[in-house]
Amino acid sequence: DGGITQSPKYLFRKEGQNVTLSCEQNLNHDAMYWYRQDPGQGLRLIYYSQIVNDFQKGDIAEGYSVSREKKESFPLTVTSAQKNPTAFYLCASSTVPVLHFGDGTRLSIL
Amino acid sequence: GENVEQHPSTLSVQEGDSAVIKCTYSDSASNYFPWYKQELGKGPQLIIDIRSNVGEKKDQRIAVTLNKTAKHFSLHITETQPEDSAVYFCAATEYSGGGADGLTFGKGTHLIIQP
Repeated sequence: DGGITQSPKYLFRKEGQNVTLSCEQNLNHDAMYWYRQDPGQGLRLIYYSQIVNDFQKGDIAEGYSVSREKKESFPLTVTSAQKNPTAFYLCASSTVPVLHFGDGTRLSIL
Repeated sequence: GENVEQHPSTLSVQEGDSAVIKCTYSDSASNYFPWYKQELGKGPQLIIDIRSNVGEKKDQRIAVTLNKTAKHFSLHITETQPEDSAVYFCAATEYSGGGADGLTFGKGTHLIIQP
């Protein structure tokens, strides 16, 4: 089945540690996105990539980094500079303008 | 930039009754308005969308209406069923063939269907 696969489903981060969230898609979509979801706050765009080897900052990029070396993959690194990383992270790809989401990674602080 | 307000934040209805969720937007240039449904522990999924050249769109038990003058749009769910329980997000953007990065989401409505 075609879709977006996010892993792991749950992730714990220690203080001062960088962690990487995986996102893979087999939908052959060019564009991919990372959103952060906090309770009662909707979805906020962290980074997006319209094509391989290119990506753009979204509304809340500080403390995060991404890479797009392959069309299928768009990993997100939550760095130690992100002081409030506890959230639900959603990856998506698009057949514009429709977004196709994965089932998310819940990141918590130890 | 665009600002999308969504109300109510929580809505509880009896099974079989109708549910209405309302959103307002600020940017008169916005022309694409999707609705996403998020079930517990899952990612959101598009359930219906509308473009600014139409006033209403229906798909079985769900419908969306758009009032461009007042800059608001609504989701209507009739004959609600237990599987309708979820969080619903509205969104708006000025879509001109580019990416979906311009989508601005509302804060969500938690719809609870009471048996």
